[in-house]
Amino acid sequence: DAGVTQSPTHLIKTRGQQVTLRCSPKSGHDTVSWYQQALGQGPQFIFQYYEEEERQRGNFPDRFSGHQFPNYSSELNVNALLLGDSALYLCASSLAIVTGELFFGEGSRLTVL
Amino acid sequence: AQSVAQPEDQVNVAEGNPLTVKCTYSVSGNPYLFWYVQYPNRGLQFLLKYITGDNLVKGSYGFEAEFNKSQTSFHLKKPSALVSDSALYFCAVRQDGQNFVFGPGTRLSVLP
Repeated sequence: DAGVTQSPTHLIKTRGQQVTLRCSPKSGHDTVSWYQQALGQGPQFIFQYYEEEERQRGNFPDRFSGHQFPNYSSELNVNALLLGDSALYLCASSLAIVTGELFFGEGSRLTVL
Repeated sequence: AQSVAQPEDQVNVAEGNPLTVKCTYSVSGNPYLFWYVQYPNRGLQFLLKYITGDNLVKGSYGFEAEFNKSQTSFHLKKPSALVSDSALYFCAVRQDGQNFVFGPGTRLSVLP
């Protein structure tokens, strides 16, 4: 049973560029959430996708956008990258009808130079 | 609004001794509470959760936590610490229809 998989694991971009991160949820899960974890901090909620729609959003600017596909996989897009966007981006999956834990991937480490 | 506090940035304990990592929360309704562990350059791994029922919940790797509604706390405990328990620990809370909110994390160091 595959867990949550994320790609790429590491990437380096320059200010102003755009980046796309990808996530495949745990088998059987239908909900994907994205978190940003800056160095030395706890994960901060970006948004959540269910049934291909953004259901909840945290306090992040519109430069952060996402998508969920019919197979439940998801993408996180960040435009006009800033130095402060450097972080570990975590994808987590869950099952909407169950009040349970999130299952996390290993993350994508983004460095903006 | 939901919030989580982890009052200690760092906890040091000797191997074999009991450990406690503290967590307090603030929610307007009934809380669902979780503990996660993170090893360097890795994602978060689920340890245990409180949804309803017994206030003492047991989880992975010998960890347990006690839900205390009057003190709005959910402290993580282990009777005998291992060096391999050294990691970053996160407490999280959520309510129905809301997203997870994570605390700032507590770094646990178990000294041999």
